[in-house]
Amino acid sequence: EVQLVESGGGLVQPGGSMRLSCAASGFTFSNYWMHWVRQVPGKGLIWVSRIKTDGSSTDYADSVKGRFTISRDNPKNTLFLQVTSPRAEDTAVYYCARGGTNSHSTGLDSWGQGTLVTVSS
Amino acid sequence: EIVLTQSPGTLSLSPGERATLSCRASQSVSSRSLAWYQQKPGQAPRLLIYGVSTRATGIPDRFSGSGSGTDFTLTISRLEPEDFAVYFCQRYGSSPLTFGQGTKLEIK
Repeated sequence: EVQLVESGGGLVQPGGSMRLSCAASGFTFSNYWMHWVRQVPGKGLIWVSRIKTDGSSTDYADSVKGRFTISRDNPKNTLFLQVTSPRAEDTAVYYCARGGTNSHSTGLDSWGQGTLVTVSS
Repeated sequence: EIVLTQSPGTLSLSPGERATLSCRASQSVSSRSLAWYQQKPGQAPRLLIYGVSTRATGIPDRFSGSGSGTDFTLTISRLEPEDFAVYFCQRYGSSPLTFGQGTKLEIK
């Protein structure tokens, strides 16, 4: 069974930093693109970032480019999102999600339960 | 960036009825990279449809997707009580990926 478990959320001050983690199990992690998606409770889904299977390629939404960094540790089956210089508008539930084996093959077919990030002083 | 606009914002129907949800893209969606998700309160989204019309694993056949170019449709043939939720369309493939704003399907 595919499982994705996020951690690392909580309260962070504007201008601070935090690192979100997503522990993956039940599939060959290194074969899949991985994504971060966020959602303000009660609002819509916003794609944040993605990383290629081997970590050699990354993409970001314009709203987080230059402030967030996605990475992965394939031997440890873990996805990361480094959040720096957060703003109030970054407050949201952050989901990690599994993509396909290539960038165009499928949608996001497995999701974690999400971790809440609150940016406030 | 391709903007996805979903309509209606809210759809009120009864169990057993047919639901038709629309997703319109600001530019043509290439490579059929269009997906639909269902989200219930307090839960993560669940993939229903990818590649415009392919059902994800375990999705009942009352869910179907269609469309091409800029106009896409999710149809639920006969609504079950568990189908009342929020539905999002998504364009994947080239960056940035984008989601529609969602359609809330509520019990009439």
